Amino acid sequence: DAGITQSPRHKVTETGTPVTLRCHQTENHRYMYWYRQDPGHGLRLIHYSYGVKDTDKGEVSDGYSVSRSKTEDFLLTLESATSSQTSVYFCAISESQSQETQYFGPGTRLLVL
Amino acid sequence: QQQVKQSPQSLIVQKGGISIINCAYENTAFDYFPWYQQFPGKGPALLIAIRPDVSEKKEGRFTISFNKSAKQFSLHIMDSQPGDSATYFCAASKAGGTSYGKLTFGQGTILTVHP
Repeated sequence: DAGITQSPRHKVTETGTPVTLRCHQTENHRYMYWYRQDPGHGLRLIHYSYGVKDTDKGEVSDGYSVSRSKTEDFLLTLESATSSQTSVYFCAISESQSQETQYFGPGTRLLVL
Repeated sequence: QQQVKQSPQSLIVQKGGISIINCAYENTAFDYFPWYQQFPGKGPALLIAIRPDVSEKKEGRFTISFNKSAKQFSLHIMDSQPGDSATYFCAASKAGGTSYGKLTFGQGTILTVHP
């Protein structure tokens, strides 16, 4: 998985609790992305980062925030988890923004009860 | 708003057959069209990609056909093998502006190749 790890790999939480997912890369790639994957929707971009402390919203950013204090780490926070945020979350990285290959991590399966 | 529509949702093919997955897009600003392959429990991985200056790109048994006027592109898997059984996603992105490099994915196709 191109030097990308995600933690935790599985998580069960309760509605209303905050949750933080971590993406860690060893490739020193500048661009990092968070997607969610749901049946019938493919993958949808939540947030992305184009450098340390530089982030922007994606297609489905409501209820999520991100932070990137180091090149290698990109954190996704669900501020107050809801059942609609039950999903599989994937982190991806790319070396440049010019439509280069995005490499995906192994995913985090999140269940919000 | 689904800007990239993929069909079929699922596909069953016999070993040695041809698998065809289709995608249609709405945004004429899209100019990069990758296909990703995903095995169960894994993240998607780039399979093949095309830009609209060519109508076809082939890599081994995998071919992308691109029809700019119809705003459609398709993935053809020749001599399909059981090891090709996976979920396939088409995607699109556009250069320029704040959307530069962001991928919009289709809904996915679950391919099953029977031995």
